[in-house]
Amino acid sequence: GEDVEQSLFLSVREGDSSVINCTYTDSSSTYLYWYKQEPGAGLQLLTYIFSNMDMKQDQRLTVLLNKKDKHLSLRIADTQTGDSAIYFCAESIRRGGNRLAFGKGNQVVVIP
Amino acid sequence: DADVTQTPRNRITKTGKRIMLECSQTKGHDRMYWYRQDPGLGLQLIYYSFDVKDINKGEISDGYSVSRQAQAKFSLSLESAIPNQTALYFCATSTGSTTGELFFGEGSRLTVL
Repeated sequence: GEDVEQSLFLSVREGDSSVINCTYTDSSSTYLYWYKQEPGAGLQLLTYIFSNMDMKQDQRLTVLLNKKDKHLSLRIADTQTGDSAIYFCAESIRRGGNRLAFGKGNQVVVIP
Repeated sequence: DADVTQTPRNRITKTGKRIMLECSQTKGHDRMYWYRQDPGLGLQLIYYSFDVKDINKGEISDGYSVSRQAQAKFSLSLESAIPNQTALYFCATSTGSTTGELFFGEGSRLTVL
């Protein structure tokens, strides 16, 4: 089935690193995603990783994928106040047409 | 201007009323989606459409209906609103590319009293 699990809340001091974790269930997922939702806005794609990769780095963002454990993480280096948001991981679901299944979201609060 | 536009952005209504949320896009994407967001529950898919003649139920379609009037327009209706449909509703589009990226509107907050 489709079940994407995330913890709900993280507070971090400005300048520190923050790590958000996610587990997913569909081992056939081709892509896994991190979306960011700022207050009062829709979700925006932050980054994604292809399932045959272990790691992807994009400026301050590092995505790690452990396919064996179906575990995905997002590390934000040098966290800034603009990083305060809700972060959703999502997996591509091929069953019933290509679509995305989202986790419950993880709220990150950056303390100045 | 937003590429994916939702109207209304906020709506308060009463139980039993019919409500329509509208979504229009200028991205030229074939695929459109309606999601519902509840605190602590993430996003749940209500309906999705891969082209004008294709409509599919998502995880939580009961109590909702949709209409794909054109490639650029996808509306969500609540025929008889009930309080547990109070939520933030998002429309999204995609090209159907292999990466599957979704592009979201800014959301429509619906309160059913």
